[in-house]
Amino acid sequence: NAGVTQTPKFRVLKTGQSMTLLCAQDMNHEYMYWYRQDPGMGLRLIHYSVGEGTTAKGEVPDGYNVSRLKKQNFLLGLESAAPSQTSVYFCASSYAGAHETQYFGPGTRLLVL
Amino acid sequence: GQQVMQIPQYQHVQEGEDFTTYCNSSTTLSNIQWYKQRPGGHPVFLIQLVKSGEVKKQKRLTFQFGEAKKNSSLHITATQTTDVGTYFCAGTPNDYKLSFGAGTTVTVRA
Repeated sequence: NAGVTQTPKFRVLKTGQSMTLLCAQDMNHEYMYWYRQDPGMGLRLIHYSVGEGTTAKGEVPDGYNVSRLKKQNFLLGLESAAPSQTSVYFCASSYAGAHETQYFGPGTRLLVL
Repeated sequence: GQQVMQIPQYQHVQEGEDFTTYCNSSTTLSNIQWYKQRPGGHPVFLIQLVKSGEVKKQKRLTFQFGEAKKNSSLHITATQTTDVGTYFCAGTPNDYKLSFGAGTTVTVRA
């Protein structure tokens, strides 16, 4: 049981490049989330999904897109990376909604030059 | 929208001392969760509080939910080096997502 995994662990991009972050969970969870963590700002929700084929915007969705084609996977895309998107990105999943424990992946450190 | 505020942002503690970190919401919360993130790690769930006035203990950690369900606190007694990390509270603005506070980062002087 791997829990929540994220790939890649670290990435450096140039401004304007695109990339996709992959999150996978093997706990059969319905809900999945993407957060970004910046110093002094805690965890801010980018997008989330309440089930396969669904996505919704969080607090800071601009510049990001997501897809949930399979229940176990939640992809976060950056179409044209900007230095302001330099951050640590965490994926999380929960069995059913905000009243359940969220299980976090190990994070992806992204540096945009 | 709902905001969850945490104070203090930083807590420097002498080993063996006690401290408390506080979490306040602008709106009533249906529940509140606490997470701990070790340096370089990811957030890990500690506990969830649901009832007004609820108090839960985990060894040296005591969690409390306010009577009005708009605030919460985490009290750690006899701080140890293993308590180092950032503690986040998170409230539920709706059934789908959590709103995290900015966290309290704890360092311990041996």
